Amino acid sequence: DIQMTQSPSSLSASVGDRVTITCRASQGISNYLAWFQQKPGKAPKSLIYAASSLQSGVPSKFSGSGSGTDFTLTISSLQPEDFATYYCQQYNSYPPTFGPGTKVEIK
Amino acid sequence: QVQLVESGGGLVKPGGSLRLSCAASGFTFSDYYMSWFRQAPGKGLEWVSYIGSSGSTMYYADSVKGRFTISRDNAKNSLYLQMDSLRAEDTAVYYCARLGQLAAAGTTDYWGQGTLVTVSS
Repeated sequence: DIQMTQSPSSLSASVGDRVTITCRASQGISNYLAWFQQKPGKAPKSLIYAASSLQSGVPSKFSGSGSGTDFTLTISSLQPEDFATYYCQQYNSYPPTFGPGTKVEIK
Repeated sequence: QVQLVESGGGLVKPGGSLRLSCAASGFTFSDYYMSWFRQAPGKGLEWVSYIGSSGSTMYYADSVKGRFTISRDNAKNSLYLQMDSLRAEDTAVYYCARLGQLAAAGTTDYWGQGTLVTVSS
């Protein structure tokens, strides 16, 4: 199985900050990488697919980049509703696997 | 709008069975691949199973293979997960999700709200 890692595991940031989360795959996955946002007690929400394409309805403050093994999710200006846990997922090969998550907290 | 509503969760003893359902609306269900995911309390996300649009193709995580069965009824716009021989480690919130199409094929675009399965004596 492909292992996914994320860094940092958690971060504290202020409203208006630019935040970047990194995701790394244990082997090359081309651009078959998705990002999800999950708030406490809620279902995950799909943000990005194919490493850099926004899902319908997702605001442009979210952006993704990368290919191969290294990927990033950037939130350009953090807002109160963005405080959540973010997961990356590879879907290049079965089984699809997730990173352990990055918790974004209020400073 | 796309809606996915899970039901059927609850408390079950180890070795018992449970059948989860997911009612889909707001899209042509028979056109989409569907999947189940789960999340143990305080843990991360785990893929469980996938089914093709016609129901003829299924994949399972090794952790549930031989114990769980995914199925769908396109006439009823419903997805199911039959869970047998349940273990304590199957305790989790179970989510159904729709897989995307075209450029988004292979990953999910919409998720249900989840249903909690607790396996305990």
